[in-house]
Amino acid sequence: AQKVTQAQTEISVVEKEDVTLDCVYETRDTTYYLFWYKQPPSGELVFLIRRNSFDEQNEISGRYSWNFQKSTSSFNFTITASQVVDSAVYFCALSEPLMSSNTGKLIFGQGTTLQVKP
Amino acid sequence: NAGVTQTPKFRILKIGQSMTLQCAQDMNHNYMYWYRQDPGMGLKLIYYSVGAGITDKGEVPNGYNVSRSTTEDFPLRLELAAPSQTSVYFCASEGQRSSGANVLTFGAGSRLTVL
Repeated sequence: AQKVTQAQTEISVVEKEDVTLDCVYETRDTTYYLFWYKQPPSGELVFLIRRNSFDEQNEISGRYSWNFQKSTSSFNFTITASQVVDSAVYFCALSEPLMSSNTGKLIFGQGTTLQVKP
Repeated sequence: NAGVTQTPKFRILKIGQSMTLQCAQDMNHNYMYWYRQDPGMGLKLIYYSVGAGITDKGEVPNGYNVSRSTTEDFPLRLELAAPSQTSVYFCASEGQRSSGANVLTFGAGSRLTVL
């Protein structure tokens, strides 16, 4: 069965600190997508990144970076020089296998609440 | 370009009442979803649809029904509301398969309280 675990329920940092959000997943499939979504206090869910299971290269987008390690089934998210506006709940998610029957359903982790204090 | 629109944003129901959460998207997406978000529990899939006229159950479908008569609309109906259905409900649609496969665009959410 597929499962996504975000063991960190809440993290609190001071502005400008670096912070890493952990995500561990379980799947028997060999092809899949992994995602991170952000939910700011306003409540909407915002897509951040999609990573194909074939692509283990790290990705950097501004202050955000993602480390995908298939060997440890982890897809961790690091925010460098955190800012107050980064305060949000962050969700990691896993897709079904990438085949013609893929319906787009996602399995979400429990979420990590990040609080960045000024 | 509205994206995914959900109504209402807030609603309080009494036990046993029924209501429909509306969801509409203007992106011509075939795949649509209803998730519920309980505190500390992440999002759980209620129902989904891969196109007009086709719906299927997700992880937590009990107490809900859906229909998909058009590509644009995917309403979620609660029959006989129960306190366990107090939650925030999110509707989502999936991007075009050519480039946005499995990338979900979410509505703003509907907060439902059953008393």
